[in-house]
Amino acid sequence: EDQVTQSPEALRLQEGESSSLNCSYTVSGLRGLFWYRQDPGKGPEFLFTLYSAGEEKEKERLKATLTKKESFLHITAPKPEDSATYLCAVQISRAGKSTFGDGTTLTVKP
Amino acid sequence: DTGVSQDPRHKITKRGQNVTFRCDPISEHNRLYWYRQTLGQGPEFLTYFQNEAQLEKSRLLSDRFSAERPKGSFSTLEIQRTEQGDSAMYLCASSSVDTQYFGPGTRLTVL
Repeated sequence: EDQVTQSPEALRLQEGESSSLNCSYTVSGLRGLFWYRQDPGKGPEFLFTLYSAGEEKEKERLKATLTKKESFLHITAPKPEDSATYLCAVQISRAGKSTFGDGTTLTVKP
Repeated sequence: DTGVSQDPRHKITKRGQNVTFRCDPISEHNRLYWYRQTLGQGPEFLTYFQNEAQLEKSRLLSDRFSAERPKGSFSTLEIQRTEQGDSAMYLCASSSVDTQYFGPGTRLTVL
């Protein structure tokens, strides 16, 4: 069965303190890996799609990378507005269902 | 592109009542998904449609849950005889290829 594990569960950073969030997965043939940001009480907001090992995507202070077993979401010089829960999801069939991890809740203190 | 919309945003009901939620996908998207999310957990897949055809349904979905997508446009999710364990955020997403875009969700509270 497909499994997605995110670590750490919670991460507290000072503003400007860079760090990485981890998403490890066990699937039978990865079609795509997705990162989302979710604010309390809202739906997930799409950030990145990664398809193959070695691929990288960047958006402002965020960079997502992918290997054959895990993905990292690197956050550089975070700001308080980056505080949210970051979710990772995998797909094994094109346009099929996504299997989500339980997320990492990031808190950035000013 | 106005995004995925869901209605209502919040629903409070008593145990045993039936509830229905609506999702309007992004207009050019032919795929529509329903997920359920409880506090501290990631979204859990319930079912998905390609156009009006329901292509997959989670084994975890009890017979009390039913979803439709008439004419391949909006979708409804109905829960019959609600139980306290049904309290959760119900999320709808749509896609044209791989990436799913989510709506704001419907928060269900069963008393």
